[in-house]
Amino acid sequence: SQTIHQWPATLVQPVGSPLSLECTVEGTSNPNLYWYRQAAGRGLQLLFYSVGIGQISSEVPQNLSASRPQDRQFILSSKKLLLSDSGFYLCAWDRGRTDTQYFGPGTRLTVL
Amino acid sequence: SQKIEQNSEALNIQEGKTATLTCNYTNYSPAYLQWYRQDPGRGPVFLLLIRENEKEKRKERLKVTFDTTLKQSLFHITASQPADSATYLCALLPIYGQNFVFGPGTRLSVLP
Repeated sequence: SQTIHQWPATLVQPVGSPLSLECTVEGTSNPNLYWYRQAAGRGLQLLFYSVGIGQISSEVPQNLSASRPQDRQFILSSKKLLLSDSGFYLCAWDRGRTDTQYFGPGTRLTVL
Repeated sequence: SQKIEQNSEALNIQEGKTATLTCNYTNYSPAYLQWYRQDPGRGPVFLLLIRENEKEKRKERLKVTFDTTLKQSLFHITASQPADSATYLCALLPIYGQNFVFGPGTRLSVLP
């Protein structure tokens, strides 16, 4: 069966510090991978998606970036965090455009 | 502008009653519409998918309807239980879109 991991689960970072969130998927190959952000009481905002290694599409211009160094690994990064980067970050995968998305447990990021 | 709205931020109902949640969209032509459940601090979990040419879909106590004329999907939970308390998100895939777009969610509380 497939599983998706995210770490860390929670993170408190000062403004201006770097960020690296990691997501890995097990039990499937060549998945589509997604990073979402969810602000308190808000819906999911798609940040990045990837259909293959090294292929990243950005949905929202911001100070975040994403990379996919391996087939089942997706990394979200920032060089300098802003207060507005606080939120609940979710990684997800699916097998195709119309497929069900499977979400990871999320990372709660607080920027102080 | 394009918009997805879910009927209210929060909905309280009595145990045993039918909960009805609404998802309305503006300036989208969805090919598919999905409903997800999200518990606090967790990632969303897929519940049901309905295609544009389907009027209704059922799964156990859950029922989804899709009216492309009204630009609306209704999500029903019959014989609701306190364990059904969660936030419910709708998401639609535009016909010419690459990814699903999520609504803001409705927080359902089923009172014993």
